[in-house]
Amino acid sequence: SAVISQKPSRDICQRGTSLTIQCQVDSQVTMMFWYRQQPGQSLTLIATANQGSEATYESGFVIDKFPISRPNLTFSTLTVSNMSPEDSSIYLCSVGGTPNGYTFGSGTRLTVV
Amino acid sequence: AQTVTQSQPEMSVQEAETVTLSCTYDTSENNYYLFWYKQPPSRQMILVIRQEAYKQQNATENRFSVNFQKAAKSFSLKISDSQLGDTAMYFCAFMNLRGDGATNKLIFGTGTLLAVQP
Repeated sequence: SAVISQKPSRDICQRGTSLTIQCQVDSQVTMMFWYRQQPGQSLTLIATANQGSEATYESGFVIDKFPISRPNLTFSTLTVSNMSPEDSSIYLCSVGGTPNGYTFGSGTRLTVV
Repeated sequence: AQTVTQSQPEMSVQEAETVTLSCTYDTSENNYYLFWYKQPPSRQMILVIRQEAYKQQNATENRFSVNFQKAAKSFSLKISDSQLGDTAMYFCAFMNLRGDGATNKLIFGTGTLLAVQP
């Protein structure tokens, strides 16, 4: 299965600023997924990123708040824009699918103060 | 829309004993995959076991096995000979198979926090 390098692992940011999270995969993948895990909660899909096309956002998530780039088949970024304390979460990227399941990055723990 | 329900927010088990975590799901689809993921305090999501809906045989991976009841839409995880390292949050997840075979998104349950006591 693929290996994902996600960074930063954690950050503390001021409200109103933006943070860009990067995920690098050791093999080419068609689709990458970005999830948010709020404190003590489950994972919620933010968007699906395909190379060469606009990301597809889930209900409740918009491109202006969470712009995504997918410049090639091994890399993607998620930006959390104009942050507020409610954006404090763990953000995870993921790749894969059947039959081997999904692989996740190690997560980015974001705290907005 | 598909949903995944885990009705046990927390569970505790003594080391070396067996514990079963419950998961139910709702879907009108016939072809799908089910997964159990483990998230220890390191927050790394680790795949524990997967089950293809078209397979009647329950999946097994060493000390981990599932009881897959397709008609009842139930997918429980049994951990045998529990170890301290099994302490983690466990998430049940569902993935619908796309007709073109491409990757689809995972839908997660709310998780069960398992504590293995020495």
